Amino acid sequence: DAGVIQSPRHEVTEMGQEVTLRCKPISGHNSLFWYRQTMMRGLELLIYFNNNVPIDDSGMPEDRFSAKMPNASFSTLKIQPSEPRDSAVYFCASSSDRAGYTFGSGTRLTVV
Amino acid sequence: QKEVEQNSGPLSVPEGAIASLNCTYSDRGSQSFFWYRQYSGKSPELIMFIYSNGDKEDGRFTAQLNKASQYVSLLIRDSQPSDSATYLCAPLGGKAGTALIFGKGTTLSVSS
Repeated sequence: DAGVIQSPRHEVTEMGQEVTLRCKPISGHNSLFWYRQTMMRGLELLIYFNNNVPIDDSGMPEDRFSAKMPNASFSTLKIQPSEPRDSAVYFCASSSDRAGYTFGSGTRLTVV
Repeated sequence: QKEVEQNSGPLSVPEGAIASLNCTYSDRGSQSFFWYRQYSGKSPELIMFIYSNGDKEDGRFTAQLNKASQYVSLLIRDSQPSDSATYLCAPLGGKAGTALIFGKGTTLSVSS
């Protein structure tokens, strides 16, 4: 099993640009989660999907953030336009039940 | 989101000692609790989870849960320098009760 795959690993972009983060969950997992981690705020839940349907997006900070899961094997998190305060590590995780999640390696986003 | 509180540390213990990591949570509806370990620059990895009041042991790790006090802890026996990491407490919560809500974590340092 290749685990949860995130791309890119690192992204540096200029303020105002669109950023798209990608995630491939573990095959057979029916829940997918997007988290953001910063020193100040820790690991924050942004949005999660169950069977490709968004369940709770109350953690999405602003309308600049959007997430999609068009099928069971792919999800995207988009920021448009990006701002310096969006700089963080973004993690994707997947799960098949309530026995815990498997995290991807994360995408380190830097907005300059 | 409901609150999850952890002492940020650092908690420093000598090699071979018992490390005690504590966590309190505000959502009385939480039924399941997870402990994750995160090494610097890496993604969180699951250590263990607990559902029932009392103790649950897994190797050198023991999780303790007291739902009445809304308190969960993790004990690490015979601490090793390789245990030096940040430990994240995460009750299941969120809108549908199926999302992990993380505390900011406690940094543990084990000296040899």
